[in-house]
Amino acid sequence: NAGVTQTPKFQVLKTGQSMTLQCAQDMNHEYMSWYRQDPGMGLRLIHYSVGAGITDQGEVPNGYNVSRSTTEDFPLRLLSAAPSQTSVYFCASSYSTRGAGNTIYFGEGSWLTVV
Amino acid sequence: AQKITQTQPGMFVQEKEAVTLDCTYDTSDQSYGLFWYKQPSSGEMIFLIYQGSYDEQNATEGRYSLNFQKARKSANLVISASQLGDSAMYFCGTRGSQGNLIFGKGTKLSVKP
Repeated sequence: NAGVTQTPKFQVLKTGQSMTLQCAQDMNHEYMSWYRQDPGMGLRLIHYSVGAGITDQGEVPNGYNVSRSTTEDFPLRLLSAAPSQTSVYFCASSYSTRGAGNTIYFGEGSWLTVV
Repeated sequence: AQKITQTQPGMFVQEKEAVTLDCTYDTSDQSYGLFWYKQPSSGEMIFLIYQGSYDEQNATEGRYSLNFQKARKSANLVISASQLGDSAMYFCGTRGSQGNLIFGKGTKLSVKP
């Protein structure tokens, strides 16, 4: 099983550039989400989706866009990169949000540096 | 709102010994779950174990077990027979209202040979 696949693993961007972090899962999970992890700030939710065609904002959505055209894919777009977006990004998914099947599985992470 | 507290920023354990990582939680939900994840220095987030609030028995997964005490609102992770590869950050968590994982600050476990 591939699980949750994130690409790229490492990326350096210049301020103002845009890019897309790709995320795909092959577990037929309805719930997908993007987090960023910063030292001392823990894991913060950027955007999430409870199913194809449905997305919503998390705690820190500014500067990021998402879409969910299929169950499998949940790309994260940085519209105009800023140094404050230097972080480690995790895509995560689960079958449900409550009860059985609500274990969240993470991708391997994407290390993004904005210079 | 849900809250997770991990009071041990760092822990040391001798190889082959058992270690307990503490986690307390606060939630107003009647039904909830507690998770433990491991984050090695390579950075990935690895799911270890899950305990549902209505599960009658403590969860176990290989060398990992969860000491769940509902009345005390604690969900401590016990790692038996520690190995050098267990050195990592460990996070306790629960699901928030947006379905997101709410983590504690984590405990850095160092296993000594």
